[in-house]
Amino acid sequence: QVQLVESGGGVAQPGRSLRLSCAASGFTFSIYGMHWVRQAPGKGLEWVAVISYDGANKYYADSVRGRFTISRDNSKNTVYLQMNSLRPEDTAVYYCAKPTAKVSGFDNWGQGTLITVSS
Amino acid sequence: DIQMTQSPSTLSASVGDRVTITCRASQSITTWLAWYQQKQGKAPKLLIYDASTLESGVPSRFTGSGSGTEFTLTISSLQPDDFATYYCQQYIGYLWTFGQGTKVEIK
Repeated sequence: QVQLVESGGGVAQPGRSLRLSCAASGFTFSIYGMHWVRQAPGKGLEWVAVISYDGANKYYADSVRGRFTISRDNSKNTVYLQMNSLRPEDTAVYYCAKPTAKVSGFDNWGQGTLITVSS
Repeated sequence: DIQMTQSPSTLSASVGDRVTITCRASQSITTWLAWYQQKQGKAPKLLIYDASTLESGVPSRFTGSGSGTEFTLTISSLQPDDFATYYCQQYIGYLWTFGQGTKVEIK
C-alpha cells in the first residue's frame, strides 16, 4: 500500500535552515506531482508547495515563496522541502501528500513531521 | 489566489443529527473541490472529491454538492466517529487552498 514517511523535523532558530524529506513507496512515484501541506499548532491546513512529476515545475504559497524550495529525486522516490530563513510562524506539522490519479485532492498523506522555529 | 471560506467555524450537534457545512470560493472553481476529515493528531482523510464523488470506503452518509463558488458537505445522520474537523480544498490551477475548517463537536 501507499506509504509516505516524512523526516527531518526538529527545532531551528529563526533565520536558520532545515530540510525535510518524504520517502514514498507503494505507487509509481515518478508519475505523480507531490505536495507539501502544513498545519500550525491548533490551526488549519495550509498548502505549501507542489512539484510536478518530473521536477520541471514548482509552485509555492505566497507565505513561503522565495524562502522554501521543493525538489525531488525520482531514483530515490523522495521529495524534499528545503526551508531557509525560517520564521516563528513556520512552526507547524509538515505533511507530504500525494494527489489522486485524476489530481482531485490528496488521497494519501504522511504522518507529518513537526518543525519548531524558536530562539 | 483563490480564498476558501467555510461556515460555521464550529458546530455542536448530537448523534443522529443531520449536519451541513458550507464552503464558498472567492471565484468559480467549477467542481474542483475536495472535503477532508481530520481527527486530533492525525493526517486528514479524503472524503469527497470533484465536489460530489465519494472516496472509496467512505460511508454513504457523507454527501457533497455544489458547483461554481458554493459547496456543501452533509452528514445525513451524525455518528460518534464523525466528531472531527472538516476542511474543504480547491484544486483548480497550481495554487491549491484550504478552507479554515469546521469543528463538529458533541452537543
